[in-house]
Amino acid sequence: GENVEQHPSTLSVQEGDSAVIKCTYSDSASNYFPWYKQELGKRPQLIIDIRSNVGEKKDQRIAVTLNKTAKHFSLHITETQPEDSAVYFCAGGGGADGLTFGKGTHLIIQP
Amino acid sequence: EAQVTQNPRYLITVTGKKLTVTCSQNMNHEYMSWYRQDPGLGLRQIYYSMNVEVTDKGDVPEGYKVSRKEKRNFPLILESPSPNQTSLYFCASSFGTGQGYTFGSGTRLTVV
Repeated sequence: GENVEQHPSTLSVQEGDSAVIKCTYSDSASNYFPWYKQELGKRPQLIIDIRSNVGEKKDQRIAVTLNKTAKHFSLHITETQPEDSAVYFCAGGGGADGLTFGKGTHLIIQP
Repeated sequence: EAQVTQNPRYLITVTGKKLTVTCSQNMNHEYMSWYRQDPGLGLRQIYYSMNVEVTDKGDVPEGYKVSRKEKRNFPLILESPSPNQTSLYFCASSFGTGQGYTFGSGTRLTVV
């Protein structure tokens, strides 16, 4: 099955700086890579996703890049704000067995 | 409002007492799945269902059962709960396997 590794486990950045979270996957058949944001005590919410036929996708301050050859994908958040503080999960899959999640990154935005 | 509804939100039970966590979605989603979330381990899939009467094991299925008799409902059954099943459980649904999930609000289960 799929195996998704996520780094770092904790990331602290100054407000206004950029944050980058990286994930690798093992199954070359995976074709769908979403990112979820989970605020304290709440459910994970989809913030952006990318499919294997696309190399990059942007939505305002967030972007995701995918390198199929190297089997890694990254989340980029620019001009970070206090409300960006949360745990972020990457996931990979798209086949019959659904999504495999990384272990999560706790993003801390320092004022 | 489009949503995935889980009940109960919180549950404390004793070892061996059978329990069911319900999950219902109103989006006509075909795909439904159960995950457990533990500190440092992320979200791990327990069971999933691609459609009515079609279910399969995820990565951590031991000690759990599911059923999918109707498209909207996907209950999680713990026949004989043990303390190592203390966790935060999430139900999720989507239109298909290559689509983003909508998660329920979670069920925090404590087994003593």
